[in-house]
Amino acid sequence: KAGVTQTPRYLIKTRGQQVTLSCSPISGHRSVSWYQQTPGQGLQFLFEYFSETQRNKGNFPGRFSGRQFSNSRSEMNVSTLELGDSALYLCASSLVLAQGARGYTFGSGTRLTVV
Amino acid sequence: QKEVEQDPGPLSVPEGAIVSLNCTYSNSAFQYFMWYRQYSRKGPELLMYTYSSGNKEDGRFTAQVDKSSKYISLFIRDSQPSDSATYLCAMAVQGAQKLVFGQGTRLTINP
Repeated sequence: KAGVTQTPRYLIKTRGQQVTLSCSPISGHRSVSWYQQTPGQGLQFLFEYFSETQRNKGNFPGRFSGRQFSNSRSEMNVSTLELGDSALYLCASSLVLAQGARGYTFGSGTRLTVV
Repeated sequence: QKEVEQDPGPLSVPEGAIVSLNCTYSNSAFQYFMWYRQYSRKGPELLMYTYSSGNKEDGRFTAQVDKSSKYISLFIRDSQPSDSATYLCAMAVQGAQKLVFGQGTRLTINP
C-alpha cells in the first residue's frame, strides 16, 4: 500500500517568490493535514482538509493557503516568501482509530529553503 | 508557555538500556496522547497512542498517561541502535482535527 507522497522533496526559492507543494494521501484517506517543522518551533499545524473543505486552520498568516481536490490530493501555497518560511513541510493523511483517535501517516516532507 | 513541553535532549544511552522519554502539558482538554518516531530526512511515524489515562504496551515500548499530573511517558526496553531517532509526543482534544506536538527528544543508542 503506497504511503503519503509529497513532491518535490527539496526546493530553493528566493524571498518574495511563491511556492506550491503537493501531497497525495494514502488511497481511501479523505483527510489531509499540513504541518510546518522548524528547529525552533517544532511541528506546528497549518490546516486540515476533508472532502475539499478546510475544517481547521492553525495560527499562520494568510500567505499560507491550501486546497484539496476531489481525488483527495492536496496542495499548499505560500506567497511572498520570507526567510523564516524555510522549513520542512509535512503532509499527513489520517483515518479514525479505536476510541476516536486519529492515526496520522506522514509523508517524508518537502524541505523548503528561502534565500 | 507552550501547551506541550518536551526536553529536546540530546539523550545518549548504551545499547540494552531502558529509555524514559517524557512530556508535560497544560491543556486539560487533551484526551488523545501519541508518540511518534522520526528518523533523519523522514516524516514522523506513529508508535503508540493512548486514549485518556492509563498504560499501553507494544513489544519493547510502553506508553503511560497520568492526566492528574498532566504527564506522559514513553519507555523503551532493551534499546537498540535502530531506536536512535527523534521522539515526539503529540496530543489532541476529542473531536479536533489537529495534533499539538512537543519539541521532540533526540535519542542516540550507542552500540
